[in-house]
Amino acid sequence: KAGVTQTPRYLIKTRGQQVTLSCSPISGHRSVSWYQQTPGQGLQFLFEYFSETQRNKGNFPGRFSGRQFSNSRSEMNVSTLELGDSALYLCASSLGGLMNTEAFFGQGTRLTVV
Amino acid sequence: GQSLEQPSEVTAVEGAIVQINCTYQTSGFYGLSWYQQHDGGAPTFLSYNALDGLEETGRFSSFLSRSDSYGYLLLQELQMKDSASYFCAVRGTGGFKTIFGAGTRLFVKA
Repeated sequence: KAGVTQTPRYLIKTRGQQVTLSCSPISGHRSVSWYQQTPGQGLQFLFEYFSETQRNKGNFPGRFSGRQFSNSRSEMNVSTLELGDSALYLCASSLGGLMNTEAFFGQGTRLTVV
Repeated sequence: GQSLEQPSEVTAVEGAIVQINCTYQTSGFYGLSWYQQHDGGAPTFLSYNALDGLEETGRFSSFLSRSDSYGYLLLQELQMKDSASYFCAVRGTGGFKTIFGAGTRLFVKA
């Protein structure tokens, strides 16, 4: 079956702009989580969605938002971009159980803010 | 809160055995997972420990000790292709959130 698809793969934006990233999970997976990855910081949790509901949110400012659609596809939006938002944004899909033992990651979207 | 600590870098020789440690501080979690990420690639799942003890999957093994708040990933018969970053992660019982460590960069030398 197809893996997790993230689009676009690369993006260059200017400070102050906004951006929307997309994630299509594995068919049958109802949970999508988003992470920000920067060198030396590992994967920082942004949010987790299940059946169109946000189940948890990480410690990021309100400029970071997301949503999930009825087909489980998810988008995240970052408004008023700052230079520090430059990072690799990864989404992970899973079946969505409470224990969520295994997540499948997409290749990520590399966002560069100039 | 939850936090996981891993060494930032480990270097080992091809054919050797290497252990990557993960210590954590969390009020409760379901289990400890390990992921591998090659440069430019996506993290991929390696193993999961729900209970204390050793889980073996081919050349890779993972261990968990809840009483010591400690786990490790053991890689045997190292190959050059094992050069990658390795992340431990926990799924907290306090909410729907999986937290990752900062990652350990493994360099395998010939």
